[in-house]
Amino acid sequence: DQQVKQNSPSLSVQEGRISILNCDYTNSMFDYFLWYKKYPAEGPTFLISISSIKDKNEDGRFTVFLNKSAKHLSLHIVPSQPGDSAVYFCAAPGRGGTSYGKLTFGQGTILTVHP
Amino acid sequence: KAGVTQTPRYLIKTRGQQVTLSCSPISGHRSVSWYQQTPGQGLQFLFEYFSETQRNKGNFPGRFSGRQFSNSRSEMNVSTLELGDSALYLCASSFDRGGYTFGSGTRLTVV
Repeated sequence: DQQVKQNSPSLSVQEGRISILNCDYTNSMFDYFLWYKKYPAEGPTFLISISSIKDKNEDGRFTVFLNKSAKHLSLHIVPSQPGDSAVYFCAAPGRGGTSYGKLTFGQGTILTVHP
Repeated sequence: KAGVTQTPRYLIKTRGQQVTLSCSPISGHRSVSWYQQTPGQGLQFLFEYFSETQRNKGNFPGRFSGRQFSNSRSEMNVSTLELGDSALYLCASSFDRGGYTFGSGTRLTVV
């Protein structure tokens, strides 16, 4: 049961343009979401998060949007840079009970930014 | 402040052997969780420890086990290694639900 889904395995964007990475979730109990960037053979690096009490959160070039009714979130990167090329994961932490300390990840989207 | 430290970075083991991986969390973080990353399965949750107690376990066989010490350092052990256990093993420490910081991982290759 894939509770967090990233349906686009890859995305290719020109430098300077906008990158939009999408994520859907099915578990209504999720109330907090995180985006991570990952290079091969390294651990994920935290990018930005959003709480379900908000519908938007910005941090520099990164903005995350949350649409609770659609159970959908997206990460916007503007402008995209070649150094942004990596795998991007969205993740949701459990809220307790049998979900303590558990991050549920999407499958990841490989972003390639061309110079 | 120091990040999450995982040792060793790379490991090659033979089928049937056992292996122990180590994770030192960020100072003050009491929660340590472990994940397995493989090309086919993505990032899968193994287990989580808080104050030396396992609070949650993922859907992995009993060959995968872990523990946490009083200083919050954690180890995970895999016994009777199989080829399919080849993966990147990641640990994350957190202070609360939102602050998960990952180590660089241990790349385990089983031959």
